[in-house]
Amino acid sequence: DGGITQSPKYLFRKEGQNVTLSCEQNLNHDAMYWYRQDPGQGLRLIYYSQIVNDFQKGDIAEGYSVSREKKESFPLTVTSAQKNPTAFYLCASSPWTSGIGDTGELFFGEGSRLTVL
Amino acid sequence: QKEVEQNSGPLSVPEGAIASLNCTYSDRGSQSFFWYRQYSGKSPELIMFIYSNGDKEDGRFTAQLNKASQYVSLLIRDSQPSDSATYLCAVTGSYIPTFGRGTSLIVHP
Repeated sequence: DGGITQSPKYLFRKEGQNVTLSCEQNLNHDAMYWYRQDPGQGLRLIYYSQIVNDFQKGDIAEGYSVSREKKESFPLTVTSAQKNPTAFYLCASSPWTSGIGDTGELFFGEGSRLTVL
Repeated sequence: QKEVEQNSGPLSVPEGAIASLNCTYSDRGSQSFFWYRQYSGKSPELIMFIYSNGDKEDGRFTAQLNKASQYVSLLIRDSQPSDSATYLCAVTGSYIPTFGRGTSLIVHP
């Protein structure tokens, strides 16, 4: 089945550690996104990528890094510079075109919950 | 900065009633408008999208858009306990979606 796979679902990090969240999609979508969600909050954009080998900062990129070496993959690294990383992280994808039938809908993975010990 | 505002709620309605969820946005250049439903601990799923002024109906759901007032709403008719969730409004300009904080809906029997 086509979809987006995020791993791990749950992750614990010690102070000072970098951790990487995986996101893989087989929908052949051009665009991929990383959002962060805190309790009672909406989704805040961390990074997005429209094409391979290119990505842009979102509203809260500080302390995070990404890569887009393959169309299918968009991993997110939470670095030790991110002072409050405990949150629910959501990866999403969408077609980047405005062709007929393209709703602009985001397709989400199941999310990764990161907790700092 | 582009902003999308929603009342966080909770909005509590009895089973069978109409639930009305509202959203305002700041960017007049916004082109696409979406409502996502998110159950606790889960990822969002698309409920409705709307591009043009007016109403769009899909089953028990109706999305309403008024670009002049920068306002989009979602009506849920015959609300069911299974509709209890957080509803996220998302507004897209240049393919970058901006989300509101979400409105928590509780449908009680």
